[in-house]
Amino acid sequence: AQSVTQLGSHVSVSEGALVLLRCNYSSSVPPYLFWYVQYPNQGLQLLLKYTSAATLVKGINGFEAEFKKSETSFHLTKPSAHMSDAAEYFCAVSYTGGGNKLTFGTGTQLKVEL
Amino acid sequence: GAVVSQHPSRVICKSGTSVKIECRSLDFQATTMFWYRQFPKQSLMLMATSNEGSKATYEQGVEKDKFLINHASLTLSTLTVTSAHPEDSSFYICSASQADTGTQYFGPGTRLTVL
Repeated sequence: AQSVTQLGSHVSVSEGALVLLRCNYSSSVPPYLFWYVQYPNQGLQLLLKYTSAATLVKGINGFEAEFKKSETSFHLTKPSAHMSDAAEYFCAVSYTGGGNKLTFGTGTQLKVEL
Repeated sequence: GAVVSQHPSRVICKSGTSVKIECRSLDFQATTMFWYRQFPKQSLMLMATSNEGSKATYEQGVEKDKFLINHASLTLSTLTVTSAHPEDSSFYICSASQADTGTQYFGPGTRLTVL
């Protein structure tokens, strides 16, 4: 079975500071990993995905994530936070043969302060 | 590319009525669509997997007679909440899976309020 743990339900950073949102996964088979962002009262937008190619994945809006098998992690980072980055972020995992079903983490609310 | 729409975006109905929500993949064909439910400040809960031309697969604890899913074409899936009650009030989100990559793209969601 697959699972995802997001450490920190709330993260607060200053504008211009580094953003680090943590995600650890558990999977008995090679995983596919995703980060999605959700703005209030909206659906989810795909930020980036890891599908067993390059371990450092670059996404939209300046975000990137690194797949570290030894640490079973897929943390999301952005060098410099912008006010518009304030949103809910979800890490998710799926796997080959799983019918593309996603298992989501509990989410991390990112707050960006002036 | 990879745009998914949902209609309506918001619906208010009386207890006992049925509500239909549409999910469309606008620029790609989706053999598989998913329906999720999200409670305030919580993560998404998968309700069912919808495959074009076949019966939906429901997750444990989801009443299939309560939440009717139809996936009649490669670009359209519908969720009908039958005999809705206030406890069915929630944010319903669909996603469509791109066949070649398996990546899910999400619709904007439907806010259902049952009075």
